[in-house]
Amino acid sequence: DQQVKQNSPSLSVQEGRISILNCDYTNSMFDYFLWYKKYPAEGPTFLISISSIKDKNEDGRFTVFLNKSAKHLSLHIVPSQPGDSAVYFCAASPTTSGTYKYIFGTGTRLKVLA
Amino acid sequence: KAGVTQTPRYLIKTRGQQVTLSCSPISGHRSVSWYQQTPGQGLQFLFEYFSETQRNKGNFPGRFSGRQFSNSRSEMNVSTLELGDSALYLCASSSKSGANVLTFGAGSRLTVL
Repeated sequence: DQQVKQNSPSLSVQEGRISILNCDYTNSMFDYFLWYKKYPAEGPTFLISISSIKDKNEDGRFTVFLNKSAKHLSLHIVPSQPGDSAVYFCAASPTTSGTYKYIFGTGTRLKVLA
Repeated sequence: KAGVTQTPRYLIKTRGQQVTLSCSPISGHRSVSWYQQTPGQGLQFLFEYFSETQRNKGNFPGRFSGRQFSNSRSEMNVSTLELGDSALYLCASSSKSGANVLTFGAGSRLTVL
């Protein structure tokens, strides 16, 4: 049972345009969410997080939106750059006594075309 | 500050063999988690160690085991290797058990022939 789903295995976007990566979850207990970026031959690196008390969090070119009623979050990258080409994973966790246990999605491969 | 170091980076084994992977966390981090990444499956949680104790365990068979040493370094072992164990094994560390952000190493790529 895949509790965190990234239904688009891949996405291609022109340089300078917006990239939108989507993530759906099924467990209503999830209340903290992360996005990681992974380049080949490297480990995932943390990008941005959001708590369920917010519906938006922004960090430079990266914005994460959370729609709790739809159990959906999205990562927007504006403007997209060729260096953003990587695999993006979303992860979700319930917060239990202040601790986190993440479930990861299967990833979306983003290709930004120059 | 050195990152999370995993060794070896690449290895090839044959079915039935066993393998041990090593992870050195960021200095001062006491929690180490292990994940398996395979195509189409994302990152699957294996287990987490904190202060030499296994805190959480994922849904993997008993062939997968781990341990953590007093210096927080961790090892994971897979016995009786199967073809399906071919994967990237990622280690992540954090300052406390169940922390909100994990810092990952580059992974150990295991190929089982």
